[in-house]
Amino acid sequence: EAQVTQNPRYLITVTGKKLTVTCSQNMNHEYMSWYRQDPGLGLRQIYYSMNVEVTDKGDVPEGYKVSRKEKRNFPLILESPSPNQTSLYFCASSFGRFQGGQETQYFGPGTRLLVL
Amino acid sequence: TQLLEQSPQFLSIQEGENLTVYCNSSSVFSSLQWYRQEPGEGPVLLVTVVTGGEVKKLKRLTFQFGDARKDSSLHITAAQTGDTGLYLCAGARSSGTYKYIFGTGTRLKVLA
Repeated sequence: EAQVTQNPRYLITVTGKKLTVTCSQNMNHEYMSWYRQDPGLGLRQIYYSMNVEVTDKGDVPEGYKVSRKEKRNFPLILESPSPNQTSLYFCASSFGRFQGGQETQYFGPGTRLLVL
Repeated sequence: TQLLEQSPQFLSIQEGENLTVYCNSSSVFSSLQWYRQEPGEGPVLLVTVVTGGEVKKLKRLTFQFGDARKDSSLHITAAQTGDTGLYLCAGARSSGTYKYIFGTGTRLKVLA
């Protein structure tokens, strides 16, 4: 089954304790992206990647890191989480054949993060 | 900063009623997408509109892209309880870009 998977689905942590949220897709997609969803703000793009070793900032990259060492994986790293990073996080992927804006983004099920 | 404002934020209607959701911006978008999101899941794409004035239909859902490509609407005819969910519009800042702006969302509840 074609899908985007995220782990963990739920995470409670404390301020300053480094964490990684994994994202994997099995559709051989070039493009992958991370979003955060907050009430009243919709989804905001954190980082995206067009291919292995190619990443770029979205609208809200501060406090986050990403890496794309393999095509299928795109982990989101919070080096020193703070309470304002409490949010619902989504990973997404699409073909990435230079038709950005017109491609279908496939979203993972989300990771709910609480930073105390 | 480009923004996409959606209205209304919340909508509760009876089954069988019609409704329209709006997505507005002061900026031009090269394309616009509509997604539906259900609780505990990620958004799922409904439609993409690219040309100013374009109208697309998906069963009881009608999507329109404004002539100036700054706004869009989603009209649902004879709403059903299965239409309940969060509706999101998303715009691409320029042709070919992978930087997306999402709207603030419209939460729709259809009552039986």
